[in-house]
Amino acid sequence: DIQMTQSPSSLSASVGDRVTITCRASQSIGSSLNWYQQQPGKAPNLLIYAASSLQSGVPSRFSGSGSGTDFTLTISSLQPGDFATYYCQHSSSTHTFGQGTKLEI
Amino acid sequence: QVQLQESGPGLVKPSQTLSLTCTVSGGSISGGGYYWSWIRQPAGKGLEWIGRMYTSGTTNYNPSLKSRVTISIDTSKNQFSLKLSSVTAADTAVYFCARDMGIWFGGMFYYAMDVWGQGTTVTVSS
Repeated sequence: DIQMTQSPSSLSASVGDRVTITCRASQSIGSSLNWYQQQPGKAPNLLIYAASSLQSGVPSRFSGSGSGTDFTLTISSLQPGDFATYYCQHSSSTHTFGQGTKLEI
Repeated sequence: QVQLQESGPGLVKPSQTLSLTCTVSGGSISGGGYYWSWIRQPAGKGLEWIGRMYTSGTTNYNPSLKSRVTISIDTSKNQFSLKLSSVTAADTAVYFCARDMGIWFGGMFYYAMDVWGQGTTVTVSS
């Protein structure tokens, strides 16, 4: 089974900062990688699909890159509503989530 | 726009079967290109994908849960359902349903869960 490992597990930042979260797959997965944001008590929200494509309605300060085993989610200038937990997810016939990265002030 | 809503008992006894339903509104569950997924999240922990079903009947399950999971679709009611048998306290979680969207991009097909229900809490306890 493919394992997804995110780093860091938690991250402290400030409004206006540029932040990068990393996701590593245990074997090559091409571009089959999605990113989600989850606010406390809410369902996850799709941000990025196919590693680098911005989901409709998601602000352009979010971007994704990578292929193969190493992927990144970048938030170019943190806004107050961006403090949340972020998950990467390998999409295949069986989906696998990373363990999450909590972004805190 | 499409909305999803989970429903079902909030309390299930150990060894019994957990049964949840997800009602799809604002669109047809039979509309092509979508799988319909279940995901769960224990309190304070990460997301775990449970499985999904296509309206053709194709299913995919998390290997760690496969022996206990059944997902089905009722197109007449625009609903899909989850059954998880032989539950224990470890199955206590918030359960989400989601639309698993197929996207043709860059010469390949990709899937991503673009619409989610709000989640329902299920506690396994006697």
